[in-house]
Amino acid sequence: ETGVTQTPRHLVMGMTNKKSLKCEQHLGHNAMYWYKQSAKKPLELMFVYNFKEQTENNSVPSRFSPECPNSSHLFLHLHTLQPEDSALYLCASSQDSWGSNEKLFFGSGTQLSVL
Amino acid sequence: GQSLEQPSEVTAVEGAIVQINCTYQTSGFYGLSWYQQHDGGAPTFLSYNALDGLEETGRFSSFLSRSDSYGYLLLQELQMKDSASYFCALNPGSARQLTFGSGTQLTVLP
Repeated sequence: ETGVTQTPRHLVMGMTNKKSLKCEQHLGHNAMYWYKQSAKKPLELMFVYNFKEQTENNSVPSRFSPECPNSSHLFLHLHTLQPEDSALYLCASSQDSWGSNEKLFFGSGTQLSVL
Repeated sequence: GQSLEQPSEVTAVEGAIVQINCTYQTSGFYGLSWYQQHDGGAPTFLSYNALDGLEETGRFSSFLSRSDSYGYLLLQELQMKDSASYFCALNPGSARQLTFGSGTQLTVLP
């Protein structure tokens, strides 16, 4: 148990669907992250939030829309995805995003399949 | 930019010692982290080297040599449960985020 919970664990969606991924951390951290993990590739940073403010958008297509209502919750809203967006989406948290970001706490991820 | 290179697969037997290497290219960084990820599980933090040398945490040790642009994770007394993917990650500092390697799949055989 890492203290970071992601739901759902698995998601299958069509290209015209709208769905949301949810992440919650119980560690009292101030920074939260979305990563994309594809087979045999490095973890790919998507978004960073620090104290609820988005501090980084790593050139992510607009069909991915993050939301961070407070420091404990992070959402990733998905719409009109493409099959190449199929991947494991990981949420992570850290104490903050500038001085303590070498130690990330990850959730188990949402395995997304886009048909 | 930054890039890291790790072997894609390593196989070893139970009870043995295995070293997973990570070479990198960067103009500057604060330190090197290591993460473990079991199939279907969350990546979990193992260790962090801010300085050159060896950091030991139980059966796992991590090493960094800035002059050689190289680090490694050493796993001793291997157990079946150590079968997992291991990722190195550079901390570039200055409020920038970690850059991860592609990961090394370790298989421990009985």
